[in-house]
Amino acid sequence: EDQVTQSPEALRLQEGESSSLNCSYTVSGLRGLFWYRQDPGKGPEFLFTLYSAGEEKEKERLKATLTKKESFLHITAPKPEDSATYLCAVQAKGGSEKLVFGKGTKLTVNP
Amino acid sequence: EAGVAQSPRYKIIEKRQSVAFWCNPISGHATLYWYQQILGQGPKLLIQFQNNGVVDDSQLPKDRFSAERLKGVDSTLKIQPAKLEDSAVYLCASSLDVTGHGYTFGSGTRLTVV
Repeated sequence: EDQVTQSPEALRLQEGESSSLNCSYTVSGLRGLFWYRQDPGKGPEFLFTLYSAGEEKEKERLKATLTKKESFLHITAPKPEDSATYLCAVQAKGGSEKLVFGKGTKLTVNP
Repeated sequence: EAGVAQSPRYKIIEKRQSVAFWCNPISGHATLYWYQQILGQGPKLLIQFQNNGVVDDSQLPKDRFSAERLKGVDSTLKIQPAKLEDSAVYLCASSLDVTGHGYTFGSGTRLTVV
């Protein structure tokens, strides 16, 4: 069974204090690993898709990386508007195209 | 481009009552998904449609949940009868395909069963 574990569950940072979120996964064959951002009362918003180990993608202060067992979401010099829950999901090769999500990391950035 | 529309935004019902949620996907998106997100957890797939056919409903509690997608566009998800543990946000998503950013979520319907 495909599984995704995210850590930490919650993270508090000061504005400008860089850090990383972790996503460990087990999947029969990885088609893609997805990162989403979710604000309170809203649906998840797509950030990145990574397909193979060694791949990296960047968007503003966020950078996602992928290894064969885990992915990291690096946040550089965060701002209060980066506060949200960050969800990681995997999609397996074959079968339906469903995403299997982790529980998320709730990030709070204090000014 | 208009997003995925869901209604209602909030619903409070008593246990054993029935409830229905509606979803209108992005125009032209063939694939539609219903996810359940319990507080503090990640979304879990309930059912996936490709046009108006079911692709995956392995995690749908079929004794109480049902879903349909008429004419391959709008979809409704129904719960009858509701249980306390059904309290959650029900998210609808649609996609052309699932590679890249093709997977778009609606804002969800927050269901509270009392």
